[in-house]
Amino acid sequence: KNQVEQSPQSLIILEGKNCTLQCNYTVSPFSNLRWYKQDTGRGPVSLTIMTFSENTKSNGRYTATLDADTKQSSLHITASQLSDSASYICVVRGNNNDMRFGAGTRLTVKP
Amino acid sequence: ETGVTQTPRHLVMGMTNKKSLKCEQHLGHNAMYWYKQSAKKPLELMFVYSLEERVENNSVPSRFSPECPNSSHLFLHLHTLQPEDSALYLCASSLYLRDRAGGYTFGSGTRLTVV
Repeated sequence: KNQVEQSPQSLIILEGKNCTLQCNYTVSPFSNLRWYKQDTGRGPVSLTIMTFSENTKSNGRYTATLDADTKQSSLHITASQLSDSASYICVVRGNNNDMRFGAGTRLTVKP
Repeated sequence: ETGVTQTPRHLVMGMTNKKSLKCEQHLGHNAMYWYKQSAKKPLELMFVYSLEERVENNSVPSRFSPECPNSSHLFLHLHTLQPEDSALYLCASSLYLRDRAGGYTFGSGTRLTVV
C-alpha cells in the first residue's frame, strides 16, 4: 500500500466552481508536504510546501491545509479556470529525507 | 521553462534499439535524479546523482544505464527495453542532495514508447 494516498483519482468540474483534493499519508516521522501541479506533457511544478507547524498556506487561488495529527492534507482551488486542468500530486518527505509520491488527482475544468 | 531541459520530448523505439535520454540544467544544482512516471501510478525514483557520483540505484533493471559526466548533464541510456518500460521519464535537480527546503525542479520529461 502506498504511503501517500490521493483522492479522488479524477475530477471534472465546471469553470468558476471550487474543488478540494485530498491527500492522506502514513509517512512518519514527517518533515514536509508539497503539492505539485503537472500540466499535460510537462513536469511537476511546486505549488506549496507545508511543514509540521503550518496548518494552512495560500498561493493565489490555491489553498493547502495540513493536519499533522490525522496525517491529512487538502488542496482547495477557488474559482477554477480552464488552465487549472492538470494532475495534482502530493509529495510527503520524512525526516530521513525519503520522498513519497501520491499517484495524483487528474482535474479537468470544463467551460 | 523550468531550467531543466530534457530531450527528446518524445521517443518511439523498438525492443532491440539503443537510445539515450538527455537532461541538462544550468541552475547550479548539485544533485540530479531520474524518475519514471507510469499512468495512474506514483513517480518511481530510479537513480540519484550527487556531484556526478551515483548515490542511489533503486533496483532498476540493467537495460537502463545512467551517466552523469558533469553536474549539469545527466543521461539515461536505454537498450533492449520491454513494452512495459513505456512511460514518461522525468529528470529533476535540486541544489543539495534531497534538498528539503528548496525542493526539486523537474524537466518536462521524455514520453517513451517501446514497440
